[in-house]
Amino acid sequence: KAGVTQTPRYLIKTRGQQVTLSCSPISGHRSVSWYQQTPGQGLQFLFEYFSETQRNKGNFPGRFSGRQFSNSRSEMNVSTLELGDSALYLCASSLARVKAGNTIYFGEGSWLTVV
Amino acid sequence: TQLLEQSPQFLSIQEGENLTVYCNSSSVFSSLQWYRQEPGEGPVLLVTVVTGGEVKKLKRLTFQFGDARKDSSLHITAAQPGDTGLYLCAGAPGGSEKLVFGKGTKLTVNP
Repeated sequence: KAGVTQTPRYLIKTRGQQVTLSCSPISGHRSVSWYQQTPGQGLQFLFEYFSETQRNKGNFPGRFSGRQFSNSRSEMNVSTLELGDSALYLCASSLARVKAGNTIYFGEGSWLTVV
Repeated sequence: TQLLEQSPQFLSIQEGENLTVYCNSSSVFSSLQWYRQEPGEGPVLLVTVVTGGEVKKLKRLTFQFGDARKDSSLHITAAQPGDTGLYLCAGAPGGSEKLVFGKGTKLTVNP
C-alpha cells in the first residue's frame, strides 16, 4: 500500500515568489491536512480538506491556501514568499476527518527554502 | 503559549540507559498521541492513549496518560541507537478538530 506522497521534496524560492506543493494521500483516504514544521515553532496545523472542502484552518495568513481535488489529491500554495516561510511542509492523510484519536499518516514532507 | 509543553527539549544518552520524556498541558485532552520523527521523514504514530491513567506498552516503550488527561509520559527502557529521533506528542484539546503538537524531544542514543 503506497504511503502519502509529497512533491517536490526540496525546493528553493526567492522572496516574493509563490510556490505550490502537492500531496497524494493513501488510496481511499479522504482527509488531507497540512502542517508547517520549523525549529522555532515546531509542527503547526495549516488546514484540513475533506471531500474537496476546507474543514479547518490554522492561524496562518491568507498567503497560505490550499485545495483538494475529486481524487483527494491536495495542493497548497504560498504566495508572496517571505524568509520566515522556510520550513518543512508536511501533508497527512486519514480515512475520516481529523479528530482526537484518529490515525493520520504523514508524508516525508517538502523542504522549502526561501532566499 | 504552547498548548502542549514537552520536556526535555534535548536528550543525549548512552545505549542501555533508561529515559522518560514528558508532555504537559493545562488543557484536558480526550486523547493524546505520540509520534517519532526521524531525520528527513515525516512523523510516524507510535501510540494513542485515550483513558485517564491508561498505560500502554510497545516493546521497550511505555506510554502513560495522566489521570486528569492533561499530561502524558513516554518511558524507554534500555535505549538503543535505533530509538534516536524526535518524539512528538499531539492531541486535539477540548473536542477541537485541530491537532496540536508539542515542540518535541530530540533524543540521541549513542552506541
